[in-house]
Order: sequence, then structure tokens, then C-alpha cells
Amino acid sequence: QVTLRESGPALVKPTQTLTLTCTFSGFSLSTSAMCVNWIRQPPGKALEWLARIDWDDDKFYKTSLKTRLTISKGTSRNQVVLTVTNMDPGDTATYYCARSGVWGTSCTNWFDPWGQGILVTVSS
Amino acid sequence: DIQMTQSPSSLSASVGDSVTITCRASQGINNWLAWYQQKPEKAPKSLIYAASSLQSGVPSRFSGSGSGTDFTLTIRNLQPEDFATYYCQQYNNYPLTFGGGTKVEIK
Repeated sequence: QVTLRESGPALVKPTQTLTLTCTFSGFSLSTSAMCVNWIRQPPGKALEWLARIDWDDDKFYKTSLKTRLTISKGTSRNQVVLTVTNMDPGDTATYYCARSGVWGTSCTNWFDPWGQGILVTVSS
Repeated sequence: DIQMTQSPSSLSASVGDSVTITCRASQGINNWLAWYQQKPEKAPKSLIYAASSLQSGVPSRFSGSGSGTDFTLTIRNLQPEDFATYYCQQYNNYPLTFGGGTKVEIK
């Protein structure tokens, strides 16, 4: 069974850097065709894809946020880390990690399953 | 970026009804479209990928269709557990983008 869980601070101040960790089980990010994504959702609003990291360390970012985002594999083999610099109240959202679907021998860009999400509030 | 427009933004229906949600892409995305269901305070759940392929474990009353720019999600014989918000998502191009959501409420 594949599961993912997000962890990190619930509150950050404007201009600070947010670091979130996705801890997963049921698959290995060292295995071909495994990829993990970060997606966020401001309160009452729609979903916004942020970044993806692949088993071979390939990385993809939302273009408009690329200068502020870094996705990486964690120090533990079952973790992925997202950092967001220069946080702003507009970054207040529930942040989700999700595995990419698998299409043949590649990962694709639908998301299944998702973690439960973590609400991050940006406020002084 | 590819814009995904869902309609309606909300609808009211009764148990047993059939409902159809539309998703339109601002440019052609072949059939690279997914649908998700989200209940309040919960993470989204994948329902459909590649426009019409049902995820394992999803009831057959859910179906998807379309190609190019116009897509639909149909729920037949609406059940109490289907009242939720539904999102479409294109994965033909980066950045991956979602529709604004359609809230299905109980009439």
C-alpha cells in the first residue's frame, strides 16, 4: 500500500523560507518510473501544481515560481523535500505531496495517491 | 500556461440523478486529462486518467470522455458519498494545471 505524509511548520513569517518533507512508503524513489510531486491549495481555492522529482533526479517546476522552489530527495531514502523561499501571505495554503501515476515504464503526470496535506499559514 | 475551465462551478442534484461536468482546455491536450474528487478537509482522490480510464477501485458510475479541448465527467445514479468537489487537470504540458472545480451539492 502506497502512503504519503507531509510534515513541516504550520506557521511561517513573511520572507522566511518554508521547508516541507514528504515521507512515503510502499514504493522506492530509486525505482524506475517513480516520481513525487508537490501541489498546493489556498483555502477555498483550486489546486496548483508546484514541482516534481523523478527517480533519476530529474526535476520539473512551475515556471512562475521556479526561482523560489527547490525539490530534492531527502536524507532518508523515503523522503522528498520542498523548499519555498521568501514566503508571502499569498502562499498560505494546504500543501500536498502526491505520487505520479505510472504509464507503461514511465511516470506520468496525474497524481495518485495523495498525502493528507499540511496547512501552512504565512503571517507575522 | 494551459487554462482549464470547468462548468458549472456548482450544481445541485438528488441521489439517483445523473450529472455531467464539463472541462475545456485553452488549447489541445490530446487525451491527457485527469479527474479528481475532493471532499471537505480531505485530499483529492484520483478518479480518471487519460480522459476515460477509470482508476482501480473507482465505481463504474463514474465515466469520462473527450479529447482535444473538450472533456466531460459523468456520474450516473448519484450516491450520497459522491457529493464533493471535482477537479479536472491537464498533463499534456508543463506547468500542469487544474480547473477551478465543480461543487456537487445535495438538492
